[in-house]
Amino acid sequence: DAGVIQSPRHEVTEMGQEVTLRCKPISGHDYLFWYRQTMMRGLELLIYFNNNVPIDDSGMPEDRFSAKMPNASFSTLKIQPSEPRDSAVYFCASSLSPGARSEFFGPGTRLTVL
Amino acid sequence: QKEVEQNSGPLSVPEGAIASLNCTYSDRGSQSFFWYRQYSGKSPELIMSIYSNGDKEDGRFTAQLNKASQYVSLLIRDSQPSDSATYLCAVSGGDNFNKFYFGSGTKLNVKP
Repeated sequence: DAGVIQSPRHEVTEMGQEVTLRCKPISGHDYLFWYRQTMMRGLELLIYFNNNVPIDDSGMPEDRFSAKMPNASFSTLKIQPSEPRDSAVYFCASSLSPGARSEFFGPGTRLTVL
Repeated sequence: QKEVEQNSGPLSVPEGAIASLNCTYSDRGSQSFFWYRQYSGKSPELIMSIYSNGDKEDGRFTAQLNKASQYVSLLIRDSQPSDSATYLCAVSGGDNFNKFYFGSGTKLNVKP
């Protein structure tokens, strides 16, 4: 398996623009997580899905952020409109069912909002 | 707010020494504890998990858990320059074991 795949790897955009980050989890993993990492706040869980259903989005910072998982092999995280304070590395991770907890992170998307 | 505290470091140890990394957490209900290693510019990689009080050994790594003291540690024996990275402590939420709360990480430098 190729592991968790994220695209794009780098994104530079201007304030106010819409940004869409994409993730393909490891096949067979039931859980998908979106994290954000900054120097100031460290690694924060934004939202996670179980079997394509959003379970907890309490970490989503504002209504400008939204996430979807239309099927087991694809998820998006959208920011609209983007702001400079959204600049961070966004990681997608997937894992098996809780009984076999082992979370694999994707390579991340480095987002810069000018 | 669930708190997971780590000393940011850097922690510098000579090659071959034991590196000791520490983590405290605030949620007494937490049941699962993990250590991740993150190389600069890379994604976190799970290296150890521990669920019960005591020690768990895996090769050169030993995780230690003391739930009464709300304390988790990671020992790296025979440290190698390739161990130089940031080590993140992660703790599951007591009310939701699928939610992880991460510490800010401790940067480890192993000097040849």
